[in-house]
Amino acid sequence: GENVEQHPSTLSVQEGDSAVIKCTYSDSASNYFPWYKQELGKRPQLIIDIRSNVGEKKDQRIAVTLNKTAKHFSLHITETQPEDSAVYFCAATPGRGGADGLTFGKGTHLIIQP
Amino acid sequence: GAVVSQHPSWVICKSGTSVKIECRSLDFQATTMFWYRQFPKQSLMLMATSNEGSKATYEQGVEKDKFLINHASLTLSTLTVTSAHPEDSSFYICSARGTGAVNSPLHFGNGTRLTVT
Repeated sequence: GENVEQHPSTLSVQEGDSAVIKCTYSDSASNYFPWYKQELGKRPQLIIDIRSNVGEKKDQRIAVTLNKTAKHFSLHITETQPEDSAVYFCAATPGRGGADGLTFGKGTHLIIQP
Repeated sequence: GAVVSQHPSWVICKSGTSVKIECRSLDFQATTMFWYRQFPKQSLMLMATSNEGSKATYEQGVEKDKFLINHASLTLSTLTVTSAHPEDSSFYICSARGTGAVNSPLHFGNGTRLTVT
């Protein structure tokens, strides 16, 4: 099955700086890679996703890049703000017919220092 | 957007009792729902895939007789934790994907925090 590795486990950055979280996956059949933000005690919220036919996607301060050859994808957050503090999870799925669940990375606790 | 409702949001039960958690897709039909478990400060682990009208598919290491899943309609899946023990205390989250939507985003319920005393 799929195995997703995520780094770092904790990331502390100054407000206004950029944050980068990296993930690797093992299953070359995986073709959908979402990123979720989870605040304490709440459900994961989808913040951005990318499919395997695209190399990069951007939505305001958030961007995701995908390198299929190397089987890794990254989340980039620019101009970080205090409300960006949360745990971020990457995930991957082969998505065969929509019937596959997501395999999540272990999460990154992002701390924005004021 | 698509909404997944999960109930209850929290429950405390005594060891040995059973607890049922409901997951409903409110404005879309979901042929497939997924049940995840999340221990404190850990990631979400897929427990099982719930398919409408058929048996659930369980991940390795998840006891199907302990975690009973029923997906009787296109909008409702239930997870019953039978004979609960303190080690079953966790955050259980369901998610769903709409019908005919390959690789569409998963929508998560609010989760159920189960505490077994």
